[in-house]
Amino acid sequence: AQSVTQLDSQVPVFEEAPVELRCNYSSSVSVYLFWYVQYPNQGLQLLLKYLSGSTLVKGINGFEAEFNKSQTSFHLRKPSVHISDTAEYFCAVSGGSYIPTFGRGTSLIVHP
Amino acid sequence: DAGVIQSPRHEVTEMGQEVTLRCKPISGHDYLFWYRQTMMRGLELLIYFNNNVPIDDSGMPEDRFSAKMPNASFSTLKIQPSEPRDSAVYFCASSLQGFEAGELFFGEGSRLTVL
Repeated sequence: AQSVTQLDSQVPVFEEAPVELRCNYSSSVSVYLFWYVQYPNQGLQLLLKYLSGSTLVKGINGFEAEFNKSQTSFHLRKPSVHISDTAEYFCAVSGGSYIPTFGRGTSLIVHP
Repeated sequence: DAGVIQSPRHEVTEMGQEVTLRCKPISGHDYLFWYRQTMMRGLELLIYFNNNVPIDDSGMPEDRFSAKMPNASFSTLKIQPSEPRDSAVYFCASSLQGFEAGELFFGEGSRLTVL
């Protein structure tokens, strides 16, 4: 079985400040890890994914995430956020033929 | 490609009525997923298909829910009879490689309100 925990339901931050959205997972097999973003009234779209190789993964819109196997984490970061980054962010895990599991989501709120 | 297309975008209906949600996946994708999103439960996988065949429907909440995929370019999710607790946003997603290592492409969702 596998599970995903997004530790923060809401993260408020000021524009141009750095941000980290936390994600921890549990799985009994090798994992593939994903971050998706959902803008208001839209579907989810992929930000970035980790399948193998380098533990630092770069995605769209300046986001990056680091896979830490020992801490079973896959935190999402951005060094300087914009108002347009305001959205819901979902961490997801799959692997070993398990159906994908999504976290509950973190609402990133960027204030001017 | 136009992406995953869902209809209707919004549906308001009364308890007891039949609801049919529709999805056209991206051409060439062989996996199709139906998700439900609510504030209480987050994003739940209801059912998924591989090459038009239902693989896992364990997430379907009860017999009132049914899903079909008659061909590679069309799927429906039906609720009959509908209840207020079915109010949610329903997403369809498709994938080329399947869920394990591939990206899921989501539609914009169908927001269902059951009065």
